[in-house]
Amino acid sequence: QKEVEQNSGPLSVPEGAIASLNCTYSDRVSQSFFWYRQYSGKSPELIMSIYSNGDKEDGRFTAQLNKASQYVSLLIRDSQPSDSATYLCAVHMNRDDKIIFGKGTRLHILP
Amino acid sequence: DTGVSQDPRHKITKRGQNVTFRCDPISEHNRLYWYRQTLGQGPEFLTYFQNEAQLEKSRLLSDRFSAERPKGSFSTLEIQRTEQGDSAMYLCASSLRTGVSYEQYFGPGTRLTVT
Repeated sequence: QKEVEQNSGPLSVPEGAIASLNCTYSDRVSQSFFWYRQYSGKSPELIMSIYSNGDKEDGRFTAQLNKASQYVSLLIRDSQPSDSATYLCAVHMNRDDKIIFGKGTRLHILP
Repeated sequence: DTGVSQDPRHKITKRGQNVTFRCDPISEHNRLYWYRQTLGQGPEFLTYFQNEAQLEKSRLLSDRFSAERPKGSFSTLEIQRTEQGDSAMYLCASSLRTGVSYEQYFGPGTRLTVT
């Protein structure tokens, strides 16, 4: 099992709809989880961090964490064309104190 | 702009040459990370520093790669005897390690092309 897994996509979502991005991780004792957005040719930009089970909302973004299922997700409400990017899930691995990234999911918002 | 800067932004070099990249982190951040990213992949961990101490280096990283962070401020990443497989985006990130917070902020990256 890979340490952090994401569906590579592309995920196509109509403008105005909810985009749902998913991530699973292998380290059962991980405590810190992050979502980054990366536009083509640019570096990753931190958009959400989550540390506790449940939901965390920030504007149109909601991160969801379920540690029992080792699952973290990102919901984007009212999707806009500017949301089209690659979304990277990152997990802090307690065993070696490193942050490991998934391969990312490409999101395409259809106008 | 996250406050993390990298120099140069682009580097084209011939196979066998040495290259050095610089990263200036956010001033109060105590951790600095180097990653490498190729097309279609997520950032791959290379090494990281807590202040001036290099805490870990990826086992996948050959001895041609070395990094320093003198005085716990800026950091340099050197690649000796470059190979075409070294062509990638090299990313630097900094964070303030507090409690369970490991939020990292990335610089713009240095794109290396080895011809």
